[in-house]
Amino acid sequence: DSGVTQTPKHLITATGQRVTLRCSPRSGDLSVYWYQQSLDQGLQFLIQYYNGEERAKGNILERFSAQQFPDLHSELNLSSLELGDSALYFCASSPSGQANYGYTFGSGTRLTVV
Amino acid sequence: EDQVTQSPEALRLQEGESSSLNCSYTVSGLRGLFWYRQDPGKGPEFLFTLYSAGEEKEKERLKATLTKKESFLHITAPKPEDSATYLCAVQPRGSQGNLIFGKGTKLSVKP
Repeated sequence: DSGVTQTPKHLITATGQRVTLRCSPRSGDLSVYWYQQSLDQGLQFLIQYYNGEERAKGNILERFSAQQFPDLHSELNLSSLELGDSALYFCASSPSGQANYGYTFGSGTRLTVV
Repeated sequence: EDQVTQSPEALRLQEGESSSLNCSYTVSGLRGLFWYRQDPGKGPEFLFTLYSAGEEKEKERLKATLTKKESFLHITAPKPEDSATYLCAVQPRGSQGNLIFGKGTKLSVKP
């Protein structure tokens, strides 16, 4: 157990639907990062939050949004889902806003869009 | 454009057969280079951070080295439990905390 908790572990949904992925960071970590991992693209950075504020944005689609709550857990919202959104979604956390000592990753949410 | 390329894509070794994995990078200033290990169905597990050319770090059978354009992950006398996908990532200078990952090298070690 890495200390980063992601729920649900698996999600199967239909095209056009909306889902919410949840992440609880490791105790004491202030930064949360969201990554998408697909077979052909590898791990792609989506967005970073630090202590409730958006810190950095990657190639995140407009259909996707995220937020970090006062208790530091984070949610990634995916809407108008398409078949191509099927992927593993990872959350990671770090103590500061930097990756100096590496992130701690959760075990991921596998999203299947049918 | 910042980019990370790992080779080979896959590597099969016999137990005890040492080898190296390569990570080539193009980045506008390097803040740090990271190695992760990922087992099937799990999240990546942090191994090393390297900050400057010439730096080396070791952990058990793994040794990571860094030059100005690439990094190597040397595996000495591997065991079957070393089988995993090894990911390399860079943090460009000026970025917040986001990393750019390579696609990984899938290592299989046969007994």
